[in-house]
Amino acid sequence: GENVEQHPSTLSVQEGDSAVIKCTYSDSASNYFPWYKQELGKGPQLIIDIRSNVGEKKDQRIAVTLNKTAKHFSLHITETQPEDSAVYFCALAYSTLTFGKGTMLLVSP
Amino acid sequence: DAGVIQSPRHEVTEMGQEVTLRCKPISGHDYLFWYRQTMMRGLELLIYFNNNVPIDDSGMPEDRFSAKMPNASFSTLKIQPSEPRDSAVYFCASSLNGGSEGYTFGSGTRLTVV
Repeated sequence: GENVEQHPSTLSVQEGDSAVIKCTYSDSASNYFPWYKQELGKGPQLIIDIRSNVGEKKDQRIAVTLNKTAKHFSLHITETQPEDSAVYFCALAYSTLTFGKGTMLLVSP
Repeated sequence: DAGVIQSPRHEVTEMGQEVTLRCKPISGHDYLFWYRQTMMRGLELLIYFNNNVPIDDSGMPEDRFSAKMPNASFSTLKIQPSEPRDSAVYFCASSLNGGSEGYTFGSGTRLTVV
């Protein structure tokens, strides 16, 4: 089945810095690549997604880039704020979503 | 819409007891998923339904686990008998179009088996 590796597992930044999380995958059949944010005590929440016919997508301070040739996609958060602190998961779609192991992002004031 | 609703939020039970987790998906969503989250294994898909029919239960760890979806607005995940290694957070999610659209997750049930 699908396998997705996510790095780093933890990421600490200062408020205002940028954060980048990267995921790599092996099966080229996936065409849908969402990112989820999970806050403490809550379920994962979809924050942005990208489809294989697009190389980049932005939504305010977050962006996702996709390189299908190299089989990796990344989440970029600019001007980080303390409320961005959470666990972020990448996922890719085959028949269902397969999730990465998550990245704990800590934004210090 | 109130989103995906799970109950209970927390469950503490003794080993050997039966546990039933409940989920109400978003109205109109035709896919329902049960995931288990642990520190060691992350988010694991246990089973999913399409139009109330179980499609893939290959993620269900053992025969002690069973899931049903008697109608479009309700699903249960049952563990009988429960074991300490079943302790985890169990999430229900629903979506349109299976894996090609984002899932909406519930708030989860934190299960502790002592």
